[in-house]
Amino acid sequence: EVQLVESGGGLVEPGGSLRLSCAASGFTFSDAWMSWVRQAPGKGLEWVGRIKYKTDGRTPDYAAPVKGRFTISRDDSKNTLYLQMDSLKTEDTAVYYCTQYDSGSFLSWGQGTLVTVSS
Amino acid sequence: QSALTQPASVSGSPGQSITISCTGTSSDVGSYNFVSWYLQHPGKAPKIMIYEVSKRPSGVSNRFSGSKSGNTASLTISGLQAEDEADYYCCSYAGNRLVFGGGTKLTVL
Repeated sequence: EVQLVESGGGLVEPGGSLRLSCAASGFTFSDAWMSWVRQAPGKGLEWVGRIKYKTDGRTPDYAAPVKGRFTISRDDSKNTLYLQMDSLKTEDTAVYYCTQYDSGSFLSWGQGTLVTVSS
Repeated sequence: QSALTQPASVSGSPGQSITISCTGTSSDVGSYNFVSWYLQHPGKAPKIMIYEVSKRPSGVSNRFSGSKSGNTASLTISGLQAEDEADYYCCSYAGNRLVFGGGTKLTVL
């Protein structure tokens, strides 16, 4: 059974930084593309970014609102996905979901972790 | 980056069929057969229901079906059940980025 468990969310001031982690199990993590999706309170889903697996160079793609501020990385030896968030803005407040990604689809989702950006 | 356009709400009675539309552009829905649909119950994580326009993941009821014509994709739910009441989101690949619809609230009357 696929399991994705996010951690690292919390309260941070505008301009601050936070790193989210996602522990994966139940599938061959090193062979999987992974992605982050977020959902602001009471709002819809928004794609944040994705990262390819080793054979494809592990290169990430980002949504325009976060490009240059967020960095997605992975440690295949630990089956863990990361989201480094810098220069945080109030509009980044959301539940952040870790997902297993393939061919334009988000196959499996974690339970999400809440990030609140507020002074 | 504009979101895909979905109706804010749809409703139907148990046993009926409903269709949710998802309208994009020639840069996303119209160009790729990578449209997916997600169901989200309140306070829960989304769950994939349809991928690559019309394919159902293992375990998803065959009451759910997907299609696409031009720049518009559709999700049809037949034989509505109370547990189908939820928010539904479409998503399309758009060339190195993914774009979601604004979501549709399905109410089972």
